[in-house]
Amino acid sequence: RKEVEQDPGPFNVPEGATVAFNCTYSNSASQSFFWYRQDCRKEPKLLMSVYSSGNEDGRFTAQLNRASQYISLLIRDSKLSDSATYLCVVNGGRSYIPTFGRGTSLIVHP
Amino acid sequence: DTGVSQDPRHKITKRGQNVTFRCDPISEHNRLYWYRQTLGQGPEFLTYFQNEAQLEKSRLLSDRFSAERPKGSFSTLEIQRTEQGDSAMYLCASSSGLAGADTQYFGPGTRLTVL
Repeated sequence: RKEVEQDPGPFNVPEGATVAFNCTYSNSASQSFFWYRQDCRKEPKLLMSVYSSGNEDGRFTAQLNRASQYISLLIRDSKLSDSATYLCVVNGGRSYIPTFGRGTSLIVHP
Repeated sequence: DTGVSQDPRHKITKRGQNVTFRCDPISEHNRLYWYRQTLGQGPEFLTYFQNEAQLEKSRLLSDRFSAERPKGSFSTLEIQRTEQGDSAMYLCASSSGLAGADTQYFGPGTRLTVL
């Protein structure tokens, strides 16, 4: 089993839709979690950290479920500009090595 | 620009040649990471420095790969005797290392093509 797993998609949604991605992780000792956004042929950029209590930033909501070992990202009212790959990152355990998922591709169409 | 910078942005080389990439992290960051990313995959960890000390090295990093961060500031990644399978985007990231705020910031990457 991979350390961090994501459905690669693509998720093809119309503008205005709500879409959710999940990311599962195998190391129960993981301590910190992030969502990054990566546009085609660009570097990953931090979208948001994921806190135990969940957190929201505008149209984006991230949640952590430690019992089931997954994190989620919810995007409301999708915009064309949300089209990108969303990378899940899990840190922790015995080292500071961050582990990335392979990313979930989102395509928002008119 | 006070972000992470990488040089060169693109490198085309012939199989068997050596290449070296440079990364300049955000100035106050003491952690520096190197990753490799191929199409359709997330970044794969290669190695990581805390100041000048190389603390972790992935099994992915063969003997042909070496990284340095001599003064705890910029870092170099060298690949000797390049192979076609080394073609990828090489990403550098830095972070502050502060507990609870250890977000990584990425550079634009160096795209390597081995012919």
